[in-house]
Amino acid sequence: DAKTTQPPSMDCAEGRAANLPCNHSTISGNEYVYWYRQIHSQGPQYIIHGLKNNETNEMASLIITEDRKSSTLILPHATLRDTAVYYCIVRVGNSGGSNYKLTFGKGTLLTVNP
Amino acid sequence: DSGVTQTPKHLITATGQRVTLRCSPRSGDLSVYWYQQSLDQGLQFLIHYYNGEERAKGNILERFSAQQFPDLHSELNLSSLELGDSALYFCASSGGTNQPQHFGDGTRLSIL
Repeated sequence: DAKTTQPPSMDCAEGRAANLPCNHSTISGNEYVYWYRQIHSQGPQYIIHGLKNNETNEMASLIITEDRKSSTLILPHATLRDTAVYYCIVRVGNSGGSNYKLTFGKGTLLTVNP
Repeated sequence: DSGVTQTPKHLITATGQRVTLRCSPRSGDLSVYWYQQSLDQGLQFLIHYYNGEERAKGNILERFSAQQFPDLHSELNLSSLELGDSALYFCASSGGTNQPQHFGDGTRLSIL
């Protein structure tokens, strides 16, 4: 699986958009970008994933550059509850029973300030 | 609520003991994954089961074992416990092709 690079920490004001970057310059054509977050010792929470196109769901938007070497997770209106460690993970898509382990790095600690 | 249920939430035991952690995956998910999170190691993949069969092992000690039952729930057995086994243990499940893993709330294991 491709290695990812994320800033160790970021701050964001409540109500503003939080833009979390992730570099994955060695990503392969069949590898997806997944984002998870972990709020203080809770289980990691799935946020969003994508292959090539930008994706949006009720939680966030994922912007993937055209060369796929980097991506940005956007939380449009950050709240205090969004304070968490955010993990960007790149891995191949799975099918059936093929192994689908996630390799977590250190992630980005996003602190949303009032 | 991810739909993945882990029990117990907390477990306190002594060195040398054996414990069993239980995981019920989301309805319909055939894959179950176990992860360990300790302060110094971060989240580490331990083992993957798919429809009752072991599919992959990660950084899992020989003192640890797991299984997935016909009803798809899974158990992680930890034996001859050491102080260093104190950690959060997470279970995750996933469904079909390219579907994400969803994690339970974990079991916090403390070895005294």
